[in-house]
Amino acid sequence: GAGVSQSPSNKVTEKGKDVELRCDPISGHTALYWYRQRLGQGLEFLIYFQGNSAPDKSGLPSDRFSAERTGESVSTLTIQRTQQEDSAVYLCASSLGGYSNQPQHFGDGTRLSIL
Amino acid sequence: SQQGEEDPQALSIQEGENATMNCSYKTSINNLQWYRQNSGRGLVHLILIRSNEREKHSGRLRVTLDTSKKSSSLLITASRAADTASYFCAFTRIQGAQKLVFGQGTRLTINP
Repeated sequence: GAGVSQSPSNKVTEKGKDVELRCDPISGHTALYWYRQRLGQGLEFLIYFQGNSAPDKSGLPSDRFSAERTGESVSTLTIQRTQQEDSAVYLCASSLGGYSNQPQHFGDGTRLSIL
Repeated sequence: SQQGEEDPQALSIQEGENATMNCSYKTSINNLQWYRQNSGRGLVHLILIRSNEREKHSGRLRVTLDTSKKSSSLLITASRAADTASYFCAFTRIQGAQKLVFGQGTRLTINP
C-alpha cells in the first residue's frame, strides 16, 4: 500500500508481558517517528529515526521502551514488562526527510491494552 | 508546558456554519501544522504555515499565524458532517526542529 502500515491494529496482553509493535513507513521516507496517544489526549513524542543517524530517544518514558529500525524501512517498538499505564494507542509516522517543513504521514496506530 | 494549548477543547456547531479553533504555544517555532484525526484513525496532515507567513488557505481551510502572540487559528468554512473529527496543532521548535510538539486537540462535532 501507499500509506504507513502498523501491526497489529489491536493488542491485548497481561501486565508483565513484553510486546512488539511494527511500523512499515512509506517507501522512500527516510524519517520515522513513534508517538503515544492516551485516550482523549494529544500525541506524546517517543523516538525519531533519520537515515543512518543515531536515533533521538529523548521521548522514551523508561528503559522498558526501546525501538529499532532496519535501514530506511521497518521499525519495531518494544515494550518490556508492560504496565497498565502503558495502555494507549501507539502511532507511527514517516516523512520524506528529517526537515521541519515536511508533513508527517501517520499510520492508524496500534491500540494496546494491558490487563 | 512545552506543548501547544488548544481552545476550545470541544466545539459543536450546525452544518454550514464556520468553525474556528485556536492554538497557543510558548516557544519560538519553525513552522506550525494542523492535523485532523477521525475516530480510531491516524492523523492526516491538513496544512503547514511557516513562521514568516501570516495566513494560508487550502480549500475551505484558512490558517493564520501570529508569532508575536504565539498563536494560530484554524477556520473551517461552510462545515460539513464529514468534518467531524479532532483537530490538532503541532509545531517544530527552532531547537530540536525535527520533533513535532502537539496540542491536546479540539474535538469538533458538526450536527446535520
